[in-house]
Amino acid sequence: GAVVSQHPSRVICKSGTSVKIECRSLDFQATTMFWYRQFPKQSLMLMATSNEGSKATYEQGVEKDKFLINHASLTLSTLTVTSAHPEDSSFYICSARSHVLAGGYNEQFFGPGTRLTVL
Amino acid sequence: EDKVVQSPLSLVVHEGDTVTLNCSYEVTNFRSLLWYKQEKKAPTFLFMLTSSGIEKKSGRLSSILDKKELFSILNITATQTGDSAVYLCAVETGTASKLTFGTGTRLQVTL
Repeated sequence: GAVVSQHPSRVICKSGTSVKIECRSLDFQATTMFWYRQFPKQSLMLMATSNEGSKATYEQGVEKDKFLINHASLTLSTLTVTSAHPEDSSFYICSARSHVLAGGYNEQFFGPGTRLTVL
Repeated sequence: EDKVVQSPLSLVVHEGDTVTLNCSYEVTNFRSLLWYKQEKKAPTFLFMLTSSGIEKKSGRLSSILDKKELFSILNITATQTGDSAVYLCAVETGTASKLTFGTGTRLQVTL
């Protein structure tokens, strides 16, 4: 199956700093990437949908100026958490989808996630 | 607002037992329903269901969708300790193929 990587896998930062998380599709071109957040013992919540070369579409309640998403190429999307606060501490997961691999279904392939802790 | 609800929230069973996990949904522009298994990290894909009444099987796992009653079940027979995980149900909607996840069912299989 297709592989999606995330970097870093774990990051600890001080309150007020910015953190960038990378999501890469390693062996396919991802026309769309999705960013999710998962709090402990809760489900995945979609934050935004990112299409290569265009602005991301954010879900209701997600601050686009705080969570900056860039999808500059077909294999890379980045999520930058700006001016991070302790309440931003969470597990951030990306997924990538390619129409080429569809086979009748556009499966989303998930990255391994990034655990962010803001002190 | 799209909604996906799973039950039970958690379950503890003995190895060898059979379990049934439930997922109900209320969404607009339904495309498909998916089941995932999540252990420590990212979810891994189990099944994708689009049509009512057609059972999907993979080993000891099977799933079926009822589009009239808006629910799906995931069955696991002869459970093993390796089945311990959170099982997530997600519904894909709209042209953007957005996934809305349920709360998940935490399954623990004990010896």
